Amino acid sequence: DAGVIQSPRHEVTEMGQEVTLRCKPISGHNSLFWYRQTMMRGLELLIYFNNNVPIDDSGMPEDRFSAKMPNASFSTLKIQPSEPRDSAVYFCASSPLAGIYNEQFFGPGTRLTVL
Amino acid sequence: EDKVVQSPLSLVVHEGDTVTLNCSYEVTNFRSLLWYKQEKKAPTFLFMLTSSGIEKKSGRLSSILDKKELFSILNITATQTGDSAVYLCSIYYGGATNKLIFGTGTLLAVQP
Repeated sequence: DAGVIQSPRHEVTEMGQEVTLRCKPISGHNSLFWYRQTMMRGLELLIYFNNNVPIDDSGMPEDRFSAKMPNASFSTLKIQPSEPRDSAVYFCASSPLAGIYNEQFFGPGTRLTVL
Repeated sequence: EDKVVQSPLSLVVHEGDTVTLNCSYEVTNFRSLLWYKQEKKAPTFLFMLTSSGIEKKSGRLSSILDKKELFSILNITATQTGDSAVYLCSIYYGGATNKLIFGTGTLLAVQP
């Protein structure tokens, strides 16, 4: 069975450029989550969706970050413009049940480096 | 301020040892606590705890929650080198607005 799929796996870009991270959740899962992980701040929840609807985006650091889920099998996290402090590993996770208090299945992550 | 604190930050043991990892929290309207194991990639789920005093077990791993004292422990018996990882504790909480926060993790190194 395919797990959560993320692309790209690695991204190196220059400050000011637009970055788009992509996620395909496990088929049949109702909830999708975007996380950011850094050494300094650990794992942080950015935003999560239930049935394609954004439920809580209070973790999104600022207006430069946006996330969409146009359908049940695809989501994007966009950073525009990117800054060096955005460098981190970005994880996407999905859950078969609505609500963030259930088991989540994580993708392999996208390692973003902003120069 | 809502927070999750894990201890110790890191731990080095030898194969066969037993370890206890701690997670304490201060949140409003606690809902559940989840433990994850993270090796060199993505976190993988271990346990979800919602009720005090009920131990969850999976092989050599077990976990229990104390909602009165606001902490959970994760025990690993007869450790193996494959147990080397970062162990993350996360708390789901909140009323009208659901929240989820993670602790910074405990780095466990099991030496042969």
